[in-house]
Amino acid sequence: EVQLLESGGGLVQPGGSLRLSCAGAGYTFARSAMSWVRQAPGKGLEWISTISDTGDSTYYADSVKGRFTISRDNSRTTLHLQLNSLRAGDTALYFCAKSRSHFWSEYDSWGQGTLVNVSS
Amino acid sequence: DIVMTQSPDSLAVSLGERATINCKSSQSVLYSSNNKNFLAWYQQKPGQPPKLLIYWASTRESGVPDRFSGSGSGADFTLTISSLQAEDVAVYYCQQYYSSPLTFGGGTKVEIK
Repeated sequence: EVQLLESGGGLVQPGGSLRLSCAGAGYTFARSAMSWVRQAPGKGLEWISTISDTGDSTYYADSVKGRFTISRDNSRTTLHLQLNSLRAGDTALYFCAKSRSHFWSEYDSWGQGTLVNVSS
Repeated sequence: DIVMTQSPDSLAVSLGERATINCKSSQSVLYSSNNKNFLAWYQQKPGQPPKLLIYWASTRESGVPDRFSGSGSGADFTLTISSLQAEDVAVYYCQQYYSSPLTFGGGTKVEIK
């Protein structure tokens, strides 16, 4: 059974930083692209970033480009998202999601999410 | 960017009746080289992450009840729940994975009438 477990969320002041992690298990982590999707309280889903299976290719939403960095460690089956220069508008539940293929595709598994609260 | 527009925003249907959700993309998400529509549908229940229902616009994910079906091509898509059950109360999202940025529709909330 595929398992994705996010961690690293919390309360941070505007301008601060956080590093989110997502531990994958139950499948061949290195064969799937991975993404981060966030959901602000009471709102819809917003794609944030995708990284290819090897980590060679990364993609970002304009809303986070230059502030967030996605990375992965296939040896530790872990996905990361470095969040810098955080704003109140970044407050959301952050999900990691697994693509079925090595590139972007439908998300066949999701974690439970980790909450990021940007507030002074 | 491809904009995904869902309608309606919310829908109240009697148990056992049909629910229909529409999703329109601002440009075609049909990839001509393999004739596949890069369109997925997800179900999100309160307090849970989204769950994949349909991919390639009409392929049901393993384990998803056959009352859920997807149809459409190009830029117009539909998710149909043929006979609504109580456990289907949720918000439903379409998503295109044709090009970056990957984009979701705004969601359709399905309730029991």
